[in-house]
Amino acid sequence: DGGITQSPKYLFRKEGQNVTLSCEQNLNHDAMYWYRQDPGQGLRLIYYSQIVNDFQKGDIAEGYSVSREKKESFPLTVTSAQKNPTAFYLCASSKGQGNHNEQFFGPGTRLTVL
Amino acid sequence: AQRVTQPEKLLSVFKGAPVELKCNYSYSGSPELFWYVQYSRQRLQLLLRHISRESIKGFTADLNKGETSFHLKKPFAQEEDSAMYYCALRGGAQKLVFGQGTRLTINP
Repeated sequence: DGGITQSPKYLFRKEGQNVTLSCEQNLNHDAMYWYRQDPGQGLRLIYYSQIVNDFQKGDIAEGYSVSREKKESFPLTVTSAQKNPTAFYLCASSKGQGNHNEQFFGPGTRLTVL
Repeated sequence: AQRVTQPEKLLSVFKGAPVELKCNYSYSGSPELFWYVQYSRQRLQLLLRHISRESIKGFTADLNKGETSFHLKKPFAQEEDSAMYYCALRGGAQKLVFGQGTRLTINP
């Protein structure tokens, strides 16, 4: 393991508050991703970034925002507009160029809205 | 539209028995298929991909374009195979589309 770190491991938030989840990688990967994992629904893509200073919405981007100012970092902000934010959030990265690139996953952050 | 379906949320088999985790996909182009696994208290990790055509931990998966399937198989299940398994498809860019997952339990 190692290479991709997410912090914190557990996060609690009051309704109406924004919260930012950290994701850092030292694999020199160009592409980074945020997924949400809910029981019975698998992983759903929130946002992804194929290169620094660029990112695209995934399938469930509403209520989330991201930035990609550095290659190593891809923080995810869960805003108060996200109607059901309690979930397990996974960050991933890949080389991002060419085909057949494996995605490597972080350990995840469990967010609970109180 | 890209879609991955894993029809079984839960699958339970006895140790030594064959196991097959089903995966069907929907994609109009030429897909790239993967199986990811998440063992208890561990990160999600790649198990195998159809491009490699290799056996990992005794598991194999064959891409059947006619049936749009990519089922994961192992002839003799072991207790350490108990985990959550996700089938995933990459159809364009670098995005992966995941199935809902199948929790495999191997009974002693």
